[in-house]
Amino acid sequence: DGGITQSPKYLFRKEGQNVTLSCEQNLNHDAMYWYRQDPGQGLRLIYYSQIVNDFQKGDIAEGYSVSREKKESFPLTVTSAQKNPTAFYLCASSVTYNEQFFGPGTRLTVL
Amino acid sequence: EDQVTQSPEALRLQEGESSSLNCSYTVSGLRGLFWYRQDPGKGPEFLFTLYSAGEEKEKERLKATLTKKESFLHITAPKPEDSATYLCAVIYGGATNKLIFGTGTLLAVQP
Repeated sequence: DGGITQSPKYLFRKEGQNVTLSCEQNLNHDAMYWYRQDPGQGLRLIYYSQIVNDFQKGDIAEGYSVSREKKESFPLTVTSAQKNPTAFYLCASSVTYNEQFFGPGTRLTVL
Repeated sequence: EDQVTQSPEALRLQEGESSSLNCSYTVSGLRGLFWYRQDPGKGPEFLFTLYSAGEEKEKERLKATLTKKESFLHITAPKPEDSATYLCAVIYGGATNKLIFGTGTLLAVQP
């Protein structure tokens, strides 16, 4: 089955720690995205990539980093510089300029 | 400012009681409007894409319509399993894959 997988489903981070969230897709989509979702707010774009080895900052990129070494993979690192990282993180992919398809999400909690 | 506004924020219906959700947008050069369904703790599930005013799409009890300023998601004779948050998003402008999301409408259908 084609789709998007995210791991882990739940992640706990200690203060000052970097953590990496995994996102893999087998839909052969060129574009991939990372969003953050907080209660009462819409999805906010962190980073996006339209092609391998290229990515752009979204609206809330501070404290996050990404890489796009393979078409199938777009990992997100939440660094210690992100002061309020507790949130639900969603990865998505799309054919250029079309609807985005989402993964199941990772819930990150800072201890 | 480019934005997407959804109303109402929350809606409670009795099973079988039809209603509509609204998504209004203020963007230049709309290229597409998307509806998603999101269940608690899960990633958004794609429902519909609308590209031009007058377009309509249907799926089971859901029907999405588009005008030049807004979209409606009509729910006919809803069932409790239709309870979810419904998200609207738009893609617009020039060479970009970025979506702007509304904050969603939380729908509760009571038996």
